[in-house]
Amino acid sequence: KAGVTQTPRYLIKTRGQQVTLSCSPISGHRSVSWYQQTPGQGLQFLFEYFSETQRNKGNFPGRFSGRQFSNSRSEMNVSTLELGDSALYLCASSLLQGSNEQYFGPGTRLTVT
Amino acid sequence: KNQVEQSPQSLIILEGKNCTLQCNYTVSPFSNLRWYKQDTGRGPVSLTIMTFSENTKSNGRYTATLDADTKQSSLHITASQLSDSASYICVVRRAAGNKLTFGGGTRVLVKP
Repeated sequence: KAGVTQTPRYLIKTRGQQVTLSCSPISGHRSVSWYQQTPGQGLQFLFEYFSETQRNKGNFPGRFSGRQFSNSRSEMNVSTLELGDSALYLCASSLLQGSNEQYFGPGTRLTVT
Repeated sequence: KNQVEQSPQSLIILEGKNCTLQCNYTVSPFSNLRWYKQDTGRGPVSLTIMTFSENTKSNGRYTATLDADTKQSSLHITASQLSDSASYICVVRRAAGNKLTFGGGTRVLVKP
């Protein structure tokens, strides 16, 4: 069974631009969660999607948004990028919403210059 | 406030030696605690998960302990190998609201 895949793996953007990251969960998994990881803050929860609906949200500004498609694939969008948005963005999939068993993807390394 | 604190932030050990990582939490009510290993440039991989009633759980050379009374957990690495060089993250799930709280991680470097 293929694992969680994220694209692209690396991305360089400039301040003010927007970016879209993609996550394909493990086949059969219906929940996708997004996390931001920085050296200073560690892993921080962004949001969780299940059945195309956002079920849970962390404490991030509205510039961070996401969506989930009928095939459970998810995208995350960040608008008006700031230098502080430079981070590793991780996606995790699980069978059910709020499941104990989350499987992480390799992440997308975003650098904002 | 629900928090998870890990110590030390980083450590260097010689190959073959043992080490112990600490995780203290204030998350309440407690549901479970999970230890992840994260290699550089990769996503975290689960090592163990512990519920309230479990004191010790092993996964190969990794042994996790949990003291739910003092809200402390430890991860012991036995006979370390170069491949153990990674960040180890402690994550606690809160029973109410089912939310996860992540520790800042401990970066382990195993030297030959």
